[in-house]
Amino acid sequence: DSGVTQTPKHLITATGQRVTLRCSPRSGDLSVYWYQQSLDQGLQFLIQYYNGEERAKGNILERFSAQQFPDLHSELNLSSLELGDSALYFCASSQTQGISTNTEAFFGQGTRLTVV
Amino acid sequence: GESVGLHLPTLSVQEGDNSIINCAYSNSASDYFIWYKQESGKGPQFIIDIRSNMDKRQGQRVTVLLNKTVKHLSLQIAATQPGDSAVYFCAPMGSGGSYIPTFGRGTSLIVHP
Repeated sequence: DSGVTQTPKHLITATGQRVTLRCSPRSGDLSVYWYQQSLDQGLQFLIQYYNGEERAKGNILERFSAQQFPDLHSELNLSSLELGDSALYFCASSQTQGISTNTEAFFGQGTRLTVV
Repeated sequence: GESVGLHLPTLSVQEGDNSIINCAYSNSASDYFIWYKQESGKGPQFIIDIRSNMDKRQGQRVTVLLNKTVKHLSLQIAATQPGDSAVYFCAPMGSGGSYIPTFGRGTSLIVHP
């Protein structure tokens, strides 16, 4: 158990809908990272938050947004869903703003999103 | 951004053999590298890391080799076990000052008993 909790584990929704994925980081971790893993694109970095503020953006679509709350949990909002958004969405957390030899990123078990 | 490629998308080995998983990276400014293992149904998990001032680092049954000249990493797993079956990713970091793991497609390691 990495200590990172993601809910829900599975989500099935229709095209055009909006969903919210939730991530609770490990206790004491200030950084949260979101990743999308699909069969054709591999594991793609979406966005990072550190202590409530956005710190880095990756390949995140405009239909997607995220936030980190004062209690450090994070939510990833996906709207106007398309079939191609079906993927595993992972959250990771770390103590510091980036990863180094002294700071590891721990990944949750992921949320499997299926858009039908 | 970083372009990460893997030479062998799938590697099948027999239990007890040694495995070698390769990774090529494109950005010579990368100075920190992590290998992750992702088992089915789980998130990626840290295996071993290496800084660019090293060319070899050993862990328990795993060794990472770094060749900065040709921008190539390899992960060697000794006496491969069925529990090693997973997808392995290398994550180069540090270019542009960014220390956020970026991944390629991964290499699937299948260990046959």
